Amino acid sequence: DGGITQSPKYLFRKEGQNVTLSCEQNLNHDAMYWYRQDPGQGLRLIYYSQIVNDFQKGDIAEGYSVSREKKESFPLTVTSAQKNPTAFYLCASSIGAGTGFEKLFFGSGTQLSVL
Amino acid sequence: DAKTTQPNSMESNEEEPVHLPCNHSTISGTDYIHWYRQLPSQGPEYVIHGLTSNVNNRMASLAIAEDRKSSTLILHRATLRDAAVYYCIGVQVGTYKYIFGTGTRLKVLA
Repeated sequence: DGGITQSPKYLFRKEGQNVTLSCEQNLNHDAMYWYRQDPGQGLRLIYYSQIVNDFQKGDIAEGYSVSREKKESFPLTVTSAQKNPTAFYLCASSIGAGTGFEKLFFGSGTQLSVL
Repeated sequence: DAKTTQPNSMESNEEEPVHLPCNHSTISGTDYIHWYRQLPSQGPEYVIHGLTSNVNNRMASLAIAEDRKSSTLILHRATLRDAAVYYCIGVQVGTYKYIFGTGTRLKVLA
């Protein structure tokens, strides 16, 4: 079945540690996104990528980094500079094109907590 | 960015219709209106979207006001599985920014 796979489902980070969240899609979508969700809140855009080897900052990119070396993969690294990383992280994809018509498809999320 | 405003929460009885409102007074003429819903501890799922005219699919209907300043998501017969947070978002042409607000938490009563 086509879809988006996020791993791990749960992740724990120690102080000063960088951690990487995985996101893989087999939908052949050009565009991919990372969102952060805090308890009881909506989703906030961290980074998005329209095409391989290109990505743009969203509204809360500080303390995060991404790469897009392959069409199907868009890993997110939470760096030690992110002082409040505890949140639910969601990866999404869309066909692309940027017409506003494209639907977003989401993964099942990664819950990151600080030890 | 097109800002949307939704009520924080709503309740409905099972098997009755539900009308979820959304105000988007700053939306431009070419912004699509999308609706997604999120069950607890899961990623959001697409519900429906439209531009100007009303839209129907197997999950719901979307009624868009003639001036496009508001829209209503209609669930024709609510079930317990429809209990979720529903997000209305405006998506600008030429951008990839899908901006989610805090949504409406729908509670369905048996």
